[in-house]
Amino acid sequence: NAGVMQNPRHLVRRRGQEARLRCSPMKGHSHVYWYRQLPEEGLKFMVYLQKENIIDESGMPKERFSAEFPKEGPSILRIQQVVRGDSAAYFCASSPKDRGANTIYFGEGSWLTVV
Amino acid sequence: QKEVEQDPGPLSVPEGAIVSLNCTYSNSAFQYFMWYRQYSRKGPELLMYTYSSGNKEDGRFTAQVDKSSKYISLFIRDSQPSDSATYLCAMSVIQGAQKLVFGQGTRLTINP
Repeated sequence: NAGVMQNPRHLVRRRGQEARLRCSPMKGHSHVYWYRQLPEEGLKFMVYLQKENIIDESGMPKERFSAEFPKEGPSILRIQQVVRGDSAAYFCASSPKDRGANTIYFGEGSWLTVV
Repeated sequence: QKEVEQDPGPLSVPEGAIVSLNCTYSNSAFQYFMWYRQYSRKGPELLMYTYSSGNKEDGRFTAQVDKSSKYISLFIRDSQPSDSATYLCAMSVIQGAQKLVFGQGTRLTINP
């Protein structure tokens, strides 16, 4: 009974490179959420997706960040031209339907370090 | 001013003590309140979920919501070393799982 799977767990990128973080939701879940946790801060909502559809991206930075959840395959959070301030833990969560926060399950996170 | 304020601690108590964790918030539209436990380098795990004001108990954990004061609490009775973790409060306006607003988290250590 696999939970929310994120990879890579740890990623190191040089400034200016691209980072791609992947998330496979729990079996039977069709909704995916990405949250970012900066050092010593709580999680902050970034984007909410369903298959082939971005529902709410109000938490995404306007530039360099994008997310997708294709019909086949995992959801991907892409960060282009990374900067030191992008260093953070990125958590993906999924839910079966948008029925409530008590149905959401978080993955173990992807830790991005920009050097 | 942050929408949700939470004392980051760290908080250290002896095993068996009652632990009280708190959050205050400024947005009176919040209706759904959650507490998550997060172990080091792991994802958050939902502990308690409550709607509107009142108390909810689950084993050693009790969650309280006081909407009039915009204040929520999590109590842990008979604390165990395995309870050592960071505890995050979260809340939302709508029932949906998107746009949860999290507190900073309180780092808790239970000493044997």
